[in-house]
Amino acid sequence: QSVLTQPPSVSGAPGQRVTISCTGSSSNIGAAFDVHWYQHLPGTAPKLLMHGNNIRPSGVPDRFSGSRSGTSASLAITGLQAEDEADYYCQSYDSSLSAVVFGGGSKLTVL
Amino acid sequence: QVTLRESGPALVKPTQTLTLTCTLSGLSLSTSGMSVSWLRQPPGKALEWLALMDWDDDKYYSTSLKTRLIISKDTSRNQVVLTVTNMDPVDTATYFCARIPGYSSSRKYWYFDLWGRGTLVTVSS
Repeated sequence: QSVLTQPPSVSGAPGQRVTISCTGSSSNIGAAFDVHWYQHLPGTAPKLLMHGNNIRPSGVPDRFSGSRSGTSASLAITGLQAEDEADYYCQSYDSSLSAVVFGGGSKLTVL
Repeated sequence: QVTLRESGPALVKPTQTLTLTCTLSGLSLSTSGMSVSWLRQPPGKALEWLALMDWDDDKYYSTSLKTRLIISKDTSRNQVVLTVTNMDPVDTATYFCARIPGYSSSRKYWYFDLWGRGTLVTVSS
């Protein structure tokens, strides 16, 4: 299984707010290493959604926000839109593995 | 337009060597601070970072796979090549190349701001 744990699926109706969790441990998120988030539609290039826990790259709507607390991080999406339907991945660094690590991904379905 | 594009065989046999190419457009491998990583994602599994090459010819490898990986670059063609030896069915995955912005040699700062679409490689006899 993945070093970072994400729910396999999340869903919400248009306009609603959803959160996607990313749970790690004391050697990654808990050690205050930054968490980054990606949005991926299969067959397309993954897109950087958030870096440094809560920094949106240019062009990412402010409906997306990130946070980190303890050994977990979260990606929140407000005002859910059909175009948000995609896979979302978190990423951090693990000091025990000395490696970049990813979550297993969460599939967001817009109902 | 700034893009990365992966290319390579869709099917390889067990024990064969896989060679993948990442072609950069709108970017130069010679630019100070430029780096290209290779990552992969087996079906239904997490992304895994494999290797990185920077503009200064420094190379970094995944600890678990370093005996099987070779990364190189052709600056004149603006390409980064990944070779994976002794392929096995567990190596079946979509392989991506990606860039790290503001590249630092310290892995704890790495994240990826530009990705290719990936190329699916299946290992089967």
